[in-house]
Amino acid sequence: DAGVTQSPTHLIKTRGQQVTLRCSPKSGHDTVSWYQQALGQGPQFIFQYYEEEERQRGNFPDRFSGHQFPNYSSELNVNALLLGDSALYLCASSFDGNTIYFGEGSWLTVV
Amino acid sequence: RKEVEQDPGPFNVPEGATVAFNCTYSNSASQSFFWYRQDCRKEPKLLMSVYSSGNEDGRFTAQLNRASQYISLLIRDSKLSDSATYLCVVNQDTDKLIFGTGTRLQVFP
Repeated sequence: DAGVTQSPTHLIKTRGQQVTLRCSPKSGHDTVSWYQQALGQGPQFIFQYYEEEERQRGNFPDRFSGHQFPNYSSELNVNALLLGDSALYLCASSFDGNTIYFGEGSWLTVV
Repeated sequence: RKEVEQDPGPFNVPEGATVAFNCTYSNSASQSFFWYRQDCRKEPKLLMSVYSSGNEDGRFTAQLNRASQYISLLIRDSKLSDSATYLCVVNQDTDKLIFGTGTRLQVFP
């Protein structure tokens, strides 16, 4: 049983570019959440998707957007990248309030 | 004020020592509580849930005081393999997790 899988694992982008990160939830999970973890900080909640809708959102600007597909997989898009967007982006999946599982994350460096 | 506050450490302890981590949270409506462990450059992994009655898992004991909005983790008989960052986590509702900044533990021989 595959856990939460994320791609790509590492990427480098230039300021002003756009990036798309992908996540496949653990089998049977229908809720996907995205977190940003800057160096030396705990993960910060970006938003959560359930039934293909954004259900909750943290304090992140509109440059951060997402999508959930009918198979429950999800994408995180960040437009107009800033140096401060450099971080580990974590995807987490869950079902019905049970244990939340994290993927290994996507390391984004903005130069 | 941060929603979840932890001492960032680092805590440097010898093998066999007992070490305690503390955490406070600001939202009294928080519903469930956890400690996660994160190894360097890895994803967070659930260590244990935290209940008001206190709970134990081997060498690890977690406690929750809802009145004081305080969570603790006690590690007994520390092992080298316990070296990691320990994240205090609060679930406010529908699986929105609020993380502390983490407390770094380094166990030395």
